[in-house]
Amino acid sequence: DAKTTQPPSMDCAEGRAANLPCNHSTISGNEYVYWYRQIHSQGPQYIIHGLKNNETNEMASLIITEDRKSSTLILPHATLRDTAVYYCIVRVLGNAGNMLTFGGGTRLMVKP
Amino acid sequence: EAGVVQSPRYKIIEKKQPVAFWCNPISGHNTLYWYRQNLGQGPELLIRYENEEAVDDSQLPKDRFSAERLKGVDSTLKIQPAELGDSAVYLCASSGTSGSTTGELFFGEGSRLTVL
Repeated sequence: DAKTTQPPSMDCAEGRAANLPCNHSTISGNEYVYWYRQIHSQGPQYIIHGLKNNETNEMASLIITEDRKSSTLILPHATLRDTAVYYCIVRVLGNAGNMLTFGGGTRLMVKP
Repeated sequence: EAGVVQSPRYKIIEKKQPVAFWCNPISGHNTLYWYRQNLGQGPELLIRYENEEAVDDSQLPKDRFSAERLKGVDSTLKIQPAELGDSAVYLCASSGTSGSTTGELFFGEGSRLTVL
């Protein structure tokens, strides 16, 4: 699976949009971009995933650049409960039984 | 629907003692994973089960770690004897048929082990 690079930490004001970047310059054509988050003392939680097109669900939006070498997770109106570590993962669907390889992630701190 | 259930949530033991963690996956999920998460790092896969078969245990330290998934449902991860470096959070996750198309894994809250 391709390696990802994320900033180790970010701050965001409550109510503002949180934009979390991820670089995956070696991504292959059949690799998807996944985002998970881990709130303190909990297990990771799936947020969203995409291949080429931008995706949106009730939790977030995922913007993937045209060359697919980077992506941005957007939390449109961050709340204090969005404070967590956010993991960007790229992988092939069905590869190794859906195994996820986590990096260090971005620690997002939402401040009042 | 109940999520992935793990126990115990916390365990403190002295080095060289044995310890076991239990996981009950989401009903109907045939794939079960054990991850280990050291402080400040992302989770690392230890072992993956497809039903009752361990299909990927390359990262499991087999000299002291063992795991089983009898009947392809619940799973137990054991450490014997525990070392100081085993202090970590042990996470269990499961995925089912839907996970094979979305890649979604469902994680439990984890078992935090402290070895003194």
